[in-house]
Amino acid sequence: QVQLQESGPGLVKPSGTLSLTCAVSGGSITSSNWWSWVRQSPGKGLECIGEIYHSGSTNYNPSLKSRVTISVDKSKNQFSLKLSSVTAADTAVYYCARNYFGSGSYLDYWGQGTLVTVSS
Amino acid sequence: DIQMTQSPSTLSASVGDRVTVTCRASQSISSWLAWYQQKPGKAPKLLIYKASSLESGVPSRFSGSGSGTEFTLTISSLQPDDFATYYCQQYNSYPLTFGGGTKVEIK
Repeated sequence: QVQLQESGPGLVKPSGTLSLTCAVSGGSITSSNWWSWVRQSPGKGLECIGEIYHSGSTNYNPSLKSRVTISVDKSKNQFSLKLSSVTAADTAVYYCARNYFGSGSYLDYWGQGTLVTVSS
Repeated sequence: DIQMTQSPSTLSASVGDRVTVTCRASQSISSWLAWYQQKPGKAPKLLIYKASSLESGVPSRFSGSGSGTEFTLTISSLQPDDFATYYCQQYNSYPLTFGGGTKVEIK
């Protein structure tokens, strides 16, 4: 049973960088799956942020692409999200998830989510 | 981006009712559609993929249908555990996009 767990600061200052990590257990990040970040805010609902393959290949949502970096650490079986120049609009619950297959797939395993608040 | 529109946004129903949620895509997505159930404070849970395929472990009272731009999620006999919010998601093209959700509440 694959499990994902997000971690990172729950409070980020405006104009700062949001950094989260997703630890994967019960499976290998070097499997044939891609791995995603999704966020959920009251104002915008569920929004995909981007995805990564263990080779380092990425796809980002064009609406966030200029501010997003997703990376993978195979030695730690985890992947990470960085979102720069954050504003209050980036306040949301952030989820990491596993793509069932390939790039741009449905998401079959999700982390529990972590609330990130952007505020001074 | 492909826009996903769900209706209704809220649905009031009783235990035992047959419930139908509709999801429309702004362009054809073939059958590349998933449905999720979300309860307060929890992550979304996959129910259905490829429009009508039931995820392992999901009760058979859940079913999905449709193709192209119009899809439905049906709960044949609503159970107490089914009161939740339901989302559709297209994976025909990136970025993945989700519907706005349908909250199923107790009548």
